[in-house]
Amino acid sequence: DTAVSQTPKYLVTQMGNDKSIKCEQNLGHDTMYWYKQDSKKFLKIMFSYNNKELIINETVPNRFSPKSPDKAHLNLHINSLELGDSAVYFCASSQQGGGGGGEQFFGPGTRLTVL
Amino acid sequence: AQRVTQPEKLLSVFKGAPVELKCNYSYSGSPELFWYVQYSRQRLQLLLRHISRESIKGFTADLNKGETSFHLKKPFAQEEDSAMYYCALSGYGANNLFFGTGTRLTVIP
Repeated sequence: DTAVSQTPKYLVTQMGNDKSIKCEQNLGHDTMYWYKQDSKKFLKIMFSYNNKELIINETVPNRFSPKSPDKAHLNLHINSLELGDSAVYFCASSQQGGGGGGEQFFGPGTRLTVL
Repeated sequence: AQRVTQPEKLLSVFKGAPVELKCNYSYSGSPELFWYVQYSRQRLQLLLRHISRESIKGFTADLNKGETSFHLKKPFAQEEDSAMYYCALSGYGANNLFFGTGTRLTVIP
């Protein structure tokens, strides 16, 4: 009974390609997030969606486009991949705000390597 | 602007020794503070939050508004405590978490 799942777990691709990472949560949460963890383990929020609506976009290049077909899914599409996009991407979800005492539940991460 | 600082990237202690992972924050409003942990080959998970005032796996953390700190403490470290620890902050009622850079704790047997 995986709460937050991501596919694929590993993604290796060439510069310039377009790729997607999928995220699904079965917790019935209203809010979903994408985080990027760089090589130094720094974890930074990229996007936050609440009930399929974008509520946070933290200065992420517009090559990154989140798509939320329903509140249980938040996919991340990346165009024209660059070397600097190599990182581990984490999806998370929470009920209501997640910040006001709420807990965020994280997926296992997707390790993206751009060659 | 909000900021979370974890000054130690790496921390090693011997089993049975006390451990303290430091976290300082900067936030203009009333923050919510959290500690998240990532064990080897596992996903990031919540360890504790300041509003709960709870002890989880022997860990406690007290919010000190005067010193703007939320240090994580445990009196006797265990080998299974070895992990990556992240301090995180959220504005009250806000949707996002701002993470510190993390501290990798290694407990030496």
